[in-house]
Amino acid sequence: SQQGEEDPQALSIQEGENATMNCSYKTSINNLQWYRQNSGRGLVHLILIRSNEREKHSGRLRVTLDTSKKSSSLLITASRAADTASYFCATPPAGTSGSRLTFGEGTQLTVNP
Amino acid sequence: DTEVTQTPKHLVMGMTNKKSLKCEQHMGHRAMYWYKQKAKKPPELMFVYSYEKLSINESVPSRFSPECPNSSLLNLHLHALQPEDSALYLCASSHAPGTHYEQYFGPGTRLTVT
Repeated sequence: SQQGEEDPQALSIQEGENATMNCSYKTSINNLQWYRQNSGRGLVHLILIRSNEREKHSGRLRVTLDTSKKSSSLLITASRAADTASYFCATPPAGTSGSRLTFGEGTQLTVNP
Repeated sequence: DTEVTQTPKHLVMGMTNKKSLKCEQHMGHRAMYWYKQKAKKPPELMFVYSYEKLSINESVPSRFSPECPNSSLLNLHLHALQPEDSALYLCASSHAPGTHYEQYFGPGTRLTVT
């Protein structure tokens, strides 16, 4: 069953602007991960945030996690054309095998030069 | 070396063919995964190998048969596939089974079943 749902489904911005994507999930989690996928290619891990963390940074990426609202957001600051990709949140639901990752539907980000 | 390689990049096969997809990693990872991804959809987990043993089979039809010959290699044997099996097949690996390890993905094999 679908664990993560993301919005917006698609986002188009200009270079230099910030992009925010949101992910909501249904059951309790141990951690939440964000991945990026360039068109038709493999996924690249961006960041992992544990359930006891509220915010995490990596370069131009900022991820927040609100377990009370069962939601997470990914902020990309000062976007570049190379950030154009699909972004997925993924969760291994608590109480299930830790190797089982369920991906959200994804947000397609287009950064226009 | 933080790369997962997959061969072939593209594969076209008929419904009566037998073919295999291959995946390799040399990061010493002890968990390996197969995912299926349809166009504009998220990846869906098919199989997980933990320490070379099959630990998760997500009710995948028997026409897909995984194999882990050693800790670096993962195969997916295909037989009597259907056109709806056409998809991007992604291999991934992680340091060990468990919730706290990021997964490293290969570039995928684009499979078309005719």
